[in-house]
Amino acid sequence: GNSVTQMEGPVTLSEEAFLTINCTYTATGYPSLFWYVQYPGEGLQLLLKATKADDKGSNKGFEATYRKETTSFHLEKGSVQVSDSAVYFCALSENRGSTLGRLYFGRGTQLTVWP
Amino acid sequence: NAGVTQTPKFRVLKTGQSMTLLCAQDMNHEYMYWYRQDPGMGLRLIHYSVGEGTTAKGEVPDGYNVSRLKKQNFLLGLESAAPSQTSVYFCASSPSGQTNTIYFGEGSWLTVV
Repeated sequence: GNSVTQMEGPVTLSEEAFLTINCTYTATGYPSLFWYVQYPGEGLQLLLKATKADDKGSNKGFEATYRKETTSFHLEKGSVQVSDSAVYFCALSENRGSTLGRLYFGRGTQLTVWP
Repeated sequence: NAGVTQTPKFRVLKTGQSMTLLCAQDMNHEYMYWYRQDPGMGLRLIHYSVGEGTTAKGEVPDGYNVSRLKKQNFLLGLESAAPSQTSVYFCASSPSGQTNTIYFGEGSWLTVV
């Protein structure tokens, strides 16, 4: 089956620190991988995505590389800001058959950045 | 630029009461979804629809019903609310099955006492 495992939080960092949030997945097919961000009181927003092995998704200084050999899609940012404080979700979707459009989410990682 | 709009935003129900959450999208999307979000659980798919007049069960459908009578609206119903249904509910839509273009609403906080 499909599942996503991401590192448990909460993660607390000082401003300008390096961020890594680990994400690994299990999938029966060839999934697309996503990172979503949820700011307090808001819905989820797509942060970045990768649709095939070795693709790198990037947005707002965040990056993640689709590693098929390690079934991973770790989120990184070189220098976090207070405004990055949010909950981050790793997700996958299988792009075939009746599961089209269905996302499988990890449990979310709360990130808090202090000035 | 309304996108995906959910009503109500907040609701408190007594056990056994019924209610309906309304999701409306103005992007002419074919696919619509209802998820619930619980602490430490991520989002789980309740029901989804691949077009007007169609619905399908997701991962956690029990205790919920849905209807998609109009393309732009996707209703989630709780016939007899239970405390286990206390959660944050998110509606989402996408133009097709391409999940890289999925848009989420802002969430509806439901408490069942």
